[in-house]
Amino acid sequence: SQKIEQNSEALNIQEGKTATLTCNYTNYSPAYLQWYRQDPGRGPVFLLLIRENEKEKRKERLKVTFDTTLKQSLFHITASQPADSATYLCALSLSGGYNKLIFGAGTRLAVHP
Amino acid sequence: NAGVTQTPKFQVLKTGQSMTLQCAQDMNHNSMYWYRQDPGMGLRLIYYSASEGTTDKGEVPNGYNVSRLNKREFSLRLESAAPSQTSVYFCASSEARGHTYEQYFGPGTRLTVT
Repeated sequence: SQKIEQNSEALNIQEGKTATLTCNYTNYSPAYLQWYRQDPGRGPVFLLLIRENEKEKRKERLKVTFDTTLKQSLFHITASQPADSATYLCALSLSGGYNKLIFGAGTRLAVHP
Repeated sequence: NAGVTQTPKFQVLKTGQSMTLQCAQDMNHNSMYWYRQDPGMGLRLIYYSASEGTTDKGEVPNGYNVSRLNKREFSLRLESAAPSQTSVYFCASSEARGHTYEQYFGPGTRLTVT
């Protein structure tokens, strides 16, 4: 069956450290993968997109990798801050469609001072 | 520029009642979507509209209907609400820009069906 898995347990890290979140998928062949941030009581906000032919994408303190062989994406936040505390969602988009996204359940990140 | 707006923010319904969730976007996007989000589960697509005048079913369409009223507005209707439809509902919109399709989400409607 098709699955997208993100670590359901919260990730707790110390301010200043690098947070690494994982998104694994099975039985999909995504054309690209997106990461979103969601704060409590609010809608998701787009962060980064990476295509199947890209290995890595960066934006300020954020870095995303995409390994289509391992069927895995890693999302890194360097020099993390308490303001980075939120739930992070990964979403796959399959080729052939226009933009139907399939979301993982998200991982909650807590950055402690 | 408000982005994506949704009304109402909160709603409590009794089983069997009907209601319409409203969504509007001011970004001139062609595509609009309705999702539901339940605890421990990812956002699940209910219906989407690739462009004005078209709608298609997503992953969980049963019990819902939609209307793409014009390019700006996309409404979601529950004809006979059931407790299983208790959820948070998000509307989103997107536009193709150089083959990227980031979606912009509204603030959500928290619906409880008793």
